[in-house]
Amino acid sequence: QKEVEQNSGPLSVPEGAIASLNCTYSDRGSQSFFWYRQYSGKSPELIMSIYSNGDKEDGRFTAQLNKASQYVSLLIRDSQPSDSATYLCAVNPPSNDYKLSFGAGTTVTVRA
Amino acid sequence: DGGITQSPKYLFRKEGQNVTLSCEQNLNHDAMYWYRQDPGQGLRLIYYSHIVNDFQKGDIAEGYSVSREKKESFPLTVTSAQKNPTAFYLCACGETQETQYFGPGTRLLVL
Repeated sequence: QKEVEQNSGPLSVPEGAIASLNCTYSDRGSQSFFWYRQYSGKSPELIMSIYSNGDKEDGRFTAQLNKASQYVSLLIRDSQPSDSATYLCAVNPPSNDYKLSFGAGTTVTVRA
Repeated sequence: DGGITQSPKYLFRKEGQNVTLSCEQNLNHDAMYWYRQDPGQGLRLIYYSHIVNDFQKGDIAEGYSVSREKKESFPLTVTSAQKNPTAFYLCACGETQETQYFGPGTRLLVL
């Protein structure tokens, strides 16, 4: 079982819609969760971090964490063409000595 | 202008050759990391360092070497023992091992 799994995508959404990305993790002891955005050919950029159960909002982005179910999600509201990118979920499992483990990413395409 | 830089942007390696990728940061972060990214895959950790003069192997260290002689610098050498080096190499740094900021990356290609 992979430590971090994401929907492989690609996910295509119309402009203005909500994009919903999901991520599950295997180590129940994980404490910190991150979402990175990576444009094609570029390096990842940290866009959200979440540490407690519930929702965390930052502009058009909302991260949701449910430790009991071991999943973390990212919602992108009012999706824009500039949101078209690959989104990487990262978790710090104790089984990996709390080093970040990354999912393979979900590619999002926002249709104008 | 604070940040993390990597050079070169593109690097070509001949068979049997060792090549070194540069990573420099002026954010005063203790922790630095090297990752490899292959198409359609997540980031895989090669080496990491939490303090000067100390570094640890990551998940895929074979065929790579690093040094950490200065806080600002964490160069990665891809040795001839690495038989499949073509990939996008990313350096990151952070105040903790959780919050990591990435450099622009180096794309390594084999001639």
